[in-house]
Amino acid sequence: DVKVTQSSRYLVKRTGEKVFLECVQDMDHENMFWYRQDPGLGLRLIYFSYDVKMKEKGDIPEGYSVSREKKERFSLILESASTNQTSMYLCASSPVWDGSLDTQYFGPGTRLTVL
Amino acid sequence: DAKTTQPNSMESNEEEPVHLPCNHSTISGTDYIHWYRQLPSQGPEYVIHGLTSNVNNRMASLAIAEDRKSSTLILHRATLRDAAVYYCILRDVLTGGGADGLTFGKGTHLIIQP
Repeated sequence: DVKVTQSSRYLVKRTGEKVFLECVQDMDHENMFWYRQDPGLGLRLIYFSYDVKMKEKGDIPEGYSVSREKKERFSLILESASTNQTSMYLCASSPVWDGSLDTQYFGPGTRLTVL
Repeated sequence: DAKTTQPNSMESNEEEPVHLPCNHSTISGTDYIHWYRQLPSQGPEYVIHGLTSNVNNRMASLAIAEDRKSSTLILHRATLRDAAVYYCILRDVLTGGGADGLTFGKGTHLIIQP
């Protein structure tokens, strides 16, 4: 069974703290993604990576950075957490595109609260 | 990705079939139709996808209209564990290429009554 795991299900941090969210996949997928999900706004892409050490900005990268040093691991970093970054964070991975199927496999999510 | 329209919510009884509709009148010839669902407090999970022909897998069936402007996800025998938000999305494989984000709309909130 395919598996994407995230380091925490729930996290509470204070404004200004540096926050690390970790994501690991065991499917040898090339592509990895970080989204945030907020009520009424749906899923929004923060960053994605299509290879080790490669990253691309998504729709809302401001206030975030990412790191991909190994193929299986993709980290999301909040340099200085703010209350408007309180959200559900979802990590996903997908295999290299074969011309048809580009299914993304999601982790369980991390609910981050910034006080 | 082209736009899809789904009902906000639907209700069904346990052990009965459920038909979840999706309209996508502006679909292009290279758009695949994908369905994902999100159970409470979990990440989304892939359900099924198709291009033109109807598709079946262990989770569900996907019926695609002949003109491809609509599709229906069919759960043959709903259980309480199928209560989730179901998202219908289109993926243009010519422009998407796999390494870009999914765009989920509001989806259909499926309620299953025991």
